[in-house]
Amino acid sequence: EAGVTQFPSHSVIEKGQTVTLRCDPISGHDNLYWYRRVMGKEIKFLLHFVKESKQDESGMPNNRFLAERTGGTYSTLKVQPAELEDSGVYFCASSPRDRGYEKLFFGSGTQLSVL
Amino acid sequence: EDQVTQSPEALRLQEGESSSLNCSYTVSGLRGLFWYRQDPGKGPEFLFTLYSAGEEKEKERLKATLTKKESFLHITAPKPEDSATYLCAGFLDSNYQLIWGAGTKLIIKP
Repeated sequence: EAGVTQFPSHSVIEKGQTVTLRCDPISGHDNLYWYRRVMGKEIKFLLHFVKESKQDESGMPNNRFLAERTGGTYSTLKVQPAELEDSGVYFCASSPRDRGYEKLFFGSGTQLSVL
Repeated sequence: EDQVTQSPEALRLQEGESSSLNCSYTVSGLRGLFWYRQDPGKGPEFLFTLYSAGEEKEKERLKATLTKKESFLHITAPKPEDSATYLCAGFLDSNYQLIWGAGTKLIIKP
């Protein structure tokens, strides 16, 4: 069974540019989460989808971040325009619909560097 | 403020030298606590979920325990392949958010 796939694995962009991160969850998983780890800090929640609906986006830092999950399959996280403080590792995770909080499956992350 | 604190930040052990990692939490409405393992360049990998004080779970050389204020991850006779960063996270009764600790980097020397 394929795991959670994220790409790109690394992205280096300049301040002010736009970057789009993609996450392909495990097939059949209704829950999809985005998390971020900034250097030296804890992993922080960004948002949670149930199928194509945003269940909780309280962790999104500001309106420069836009997440979508069209058709309830893969998800994208767009940062526009990127700022220096957006640098970090962005993780995506998925889980099944029932008791989905019990065990999250994570991707390997996208390392974003904004210069 | 809800918070999860892990200690120590880093731990170096000789192969076979048992020890424990600590995760203390101040989280209102905690539903449960996760332990994850993370290898360099990879995402967190699930180890255990604990729900109530007194609960224990084991997997190979690892055993996780939970009290009302903290959780321990005991590692018995570790091997070099147990080297990784170990993360704990609390999850709330009200939503699916995880509140993460900063992790303990464990290094097992042969």
